[in-house]
Amino acid sequence: DSGVTQTPKHLITATGQRVTLRCSPRSGDLSVYWYQQSLDQGLQFLIQYYNGEERAKGNILERFSAQQFPDLHSELNLSSLELGDSALYFCASSVAAAGGVTALHFGNGTRLTVT
Amino acid sequence: AQSVTQLGSHVSVSEGALVLLRCNYSSSVPPYLFWYVQYPNQGLQLLLKYTSAATLVKGINGFEAEFKKSETSFHLTKPSAHMSDAAEYFCAVSGVGTSGGGADGLTFGKGTHLIIQP
Repeated sequence: DSGVTQTPKHLITATGQRVTLRCSPRSGDLSVYWYQQSLDQGLQFLIQYYNGEERAKGNILERFSAQQFPDLHSELNLSSLELGDSALYFCASSVAAAGGVTALHFGNGTRLTVT
Repeated sequence: AQSVTQLGSHVSVSEGALVLLRCNYSSSVPPYLFWYVQYPNQGLQLLLKYTSAATLVKGINGFEAEFKKSETSFHLTKPSAHMSDAAEYFCAVSGVGTSGGGADGLTFGKGTHLIIQP
């Protein structure tokens, strides 16, 4: 058990809809990272928050947004969903602002299916 | 920018045989390198990490990896494969930036699916 909790485990929704994925980091971790995993793109870094502030952006679409709350949990909002957004979405956390040395600890992911 | 290349999307070995999963990195600065394992329907679990201390890094489950700067490689090995090692393995890199480790998370390779033949 990594200590990172993601809900829900599965999500099925229709094109054009909006969903929210939730992540609770490990106790004591201040950084939260979001990744998208798909068969064709592999693991893609989306965005990172550190102690409530956006720290870095990766390949995140404008239709997607995230935030980290004062209690350090994070939410990833996906809107105007398309079939191609179907993927596994992982949340990871680390102690530091930069993930390098301390490594990232991953949750079990949310599997999003857009129909 | 940092990147990693994993050679071979699928590797098949017999139970008890040597496991060798290849990873080459590209980095303009001294890298931090990681191997993660992903079992079906689970998240990624850290196997081991290289942080410039020792070039031979030992991880969990009997895996180890050797950092070779001259070859820009960080291959993962295990002397004797077990059926339970069947999983997806990811190599990842994080560069040392002005923030002391890179603020952009880890950059992952495409992954290598390890198949263990009985």
